[in-house]
Amino acid sequence: NAGVTQTPKFQVLKTGQSMTLQCAQDMNHNSMYWYRQDPGMGLRLIYYSASEGTTDKGEVPNGYNVSRLNKREFSLRLESAAPSQTSVYFCASSEVSSGYNEQFFGPGTRLTVL
Amino acid sequence: TQLLEQSPQFLSIQEGENLTVYCNSSSVFSSLQWYRQEPGEGPVLLVTVVTGGEVKKLKRLTFQFGDARKDSSLHITAAQPGDTGLYLCAGTFSSGSARQLTFGSGTQLTVLP
Repeated sequence: NAGVTQTPKFQVLKTGQSMTLQCAQDMNHNSMYWYRQDPGMGLRLIYYSASEGTTDKGEVPNGYNVSRLNKREFSLRLESAAPSQTSVYFCASSEVSSGYNEQFFGPGTRLTVL
Repeated sequence: TQLLEQSPQFLSIQEGENLTVYCNSSSVFSSLQWYRQEPGEGPVLLVTVVTGGEVKKLKRLTFQFGDARKDSSLHITAAQPGDTGLYLCAGTFSSGSARQLTFGSGTQLTVLP
């Protein structure tokens, strides 16, 4: 099992360009998440999808859109990239039960916006 | 916004020393997790604690959940260079959604040989 995979691993964009970050999981989890990680700030939730067909905003959703394509795949789109979106982006998945939310993370996408 | 505070932010120690890192909140956790993240990788779950006063051990790592479920600690005995990494605590709150984990900013641990 590959777990959670993300593409691309690295990306450099110019201000105003758009791109989509891809995420897939093979653990049959219902819930999927997108986080960004900035120095000294831990991980902040951008969007999540509790189940196929649903998406909800997290702590920092502005400037992003998501699509839960099917149970396996959850993509994050930057429509018009800004330097403030330079960050490391992580996708995660979990099966929430009895209040537990043990998440499995992908290896991350390192995005630089010039 | 419910906050998690971790301390210390940075810790550099010699191989063989013991250390403790802390995670605190003013709100009650439903559950709390500890993750370890190595450079260039995503966080990896170490443990989940849910019961106040709970203690869990993972080899040389001991995790404790406070009686009031507002704080937790991670103690490492006889640290080794392989323990180097960013240690993150993350929790779901009693007053919030189980689907949203709140992360602390992490403790960057360096163990020198």
